Amino acid sequence: KQEVTQIPAALSVPEGENLVLNCSFTDSAIYNLQWFRQDPGKGLTSLLLIQSSQREQTSGRLNASLDKSSGRSTLYIAASQPGDSATYLCAVRQGNNRLAFGKGNQVVVIP
Amino acid sequence: DVKVTQSSRYLVKRTGEKVFLECVQDMDHENMFWYRQDPGLGLRLIYFSYDVKMKEKGDIPEGYSVSREKKERFSLILESASTNQTSMYLCASSLEGNQPQHFGDGTRLSIL
Repeated sequence: KQEVTQIPAALSVPEGENLVLNCSFTDSAIYNLQWFRQDPGKGLTSLLLIQSSQREQTSGRLNASLDKSSGRSTLYIAASQPGDSATYLCAVRQGNNRLAFGKGNQVVVIP
Repeated sequence: DVKVTQSSRYLVKRTGEKVFLECVQDMDHENMFWYRQDPGLGLRLIYFSYDVKMKEKGDIPEGYSVSREKKERFSLILESASTNQTSMYLCASSLEGNQPQHFGDGTRLSIL
């Protein structure tokens, strides 16, 4: 069974620092990996999707990399801002369109 | 822009009631999903549907059923609500193939 891990569960960074969030998964037979953002009490917002054949994806200040063979993905957020405070989840897509989710990194950016 | 709408943000029901949670997407997506999210347990898949009238069980289907009579609408039904079904319920949809899932804002359901 696929297991997705995000460590640490919570972290704080000063405003302006680059954020680095890690996601690891146990089964490398994935179709894609998706990063989401979740604000308290809200649904998930899709940030980036990396196909299994890709190494990275970029959108504005966000960059996500994927190393499928080692079962790892990293989300970089450049020059963090207080508005980046949220929980970030990664999810890997397996067969049958199912996603396996990590439990998230709760991020606080300190002004 | 992608839009997944869940009918209620907050809902309070009583034990034993039959509860309906509705989800509508306006993107002509084939796939629709129901998850629940609980602290410490993360997101867990309840049911999903890959076409009208088609459904598949997820990881925790017990106590739930679903209905998809039209492509844009996917309903989650709690047959006889129990307190352990108090949770945040999230609906999502996606196109076929390797496309991202898009989520609604969630329904915070409390069973008293």
